[in-house]
Amino acid sequence: GQNIDQPTEMTATEGAIVQINCTYQTSGFNGLFWYQQHAGEAPTFLSYNVLDGLEEKGRFSSFLSRSKGYSYLLLKELQMKDSASYLCAVLDSNYQLIWGAGTKLIIKP
Amino acid sequence: GAVVSQHPSWVICKSGTSVKIECRSLDFQATTMFWYRQFPKQSLMLMATSNEGSKATYEQGVEKDKFLINHASLTLSTLTVTSAHPEDSSFYICSAREGGDLEAFFGQGTRLTVV
Repeated sequence: GQNIDQPTEMTATEGAIVQINCTYQTSGFNGLFWYQQHAGEAPTFLSYNVLDGLEEKGRFSSFLSRSKGYSYLLLKELQMKDSASYLCAVLDSNYQLIWGAGTKLIIKP
Repeated sequence: GAVVSQHPSWVICKSGTSVKIECRSLDFQATTMFWYRQFPKQSLMLMATSNEGSKATYEQGVEKDKFLINHASLTLSTLTVTSAHPEDSSFYICSAREGGDLEAFFGQGTRLTVV
């Protein structure tokens, strides 16, 4: 079956760095997405990785290792507004998005 | 960037009535639209995928006669929850994709409460 695992909840301090991991087992792979979702709102796109390596975009970076079925989202200089759920999603061989359950990130002052 | 407008943002309806949710792509042609529901503290659950002009493909366990999906144009898809019951109360989100593009853009979501 298809499976995406990410931690349920993480806590970090304002100004610090946090890494949210995602492991996946899917039928085929056409890329991995990270989305941010604030409570009661729809997800917003953060990043897309299809090749191995690190993609940096401002305070957010995303890493992918296809051989390990592993990705992480790195958030630097954390701000209170970064408190949200972070969803990992994989595009499978049918180009359908398979979603993880999301990681709730709590930022403390 | 691409914009997907979903309406209404929230709706309260009586049990047994039907509710229609609209999803519009404002600046691109939505060849494919996806409808999700999301219960509190859970991930998105794909309900159905629709391609313009074709019947929607429903995921296992989703009643197609209860959740009617219409995708008659390249800019509009609708989800109608028929004979709604309290257990249908949820957050419904649409997303749209153009052609062979990989990224799907999300609507704002609709919070449905059935009383």
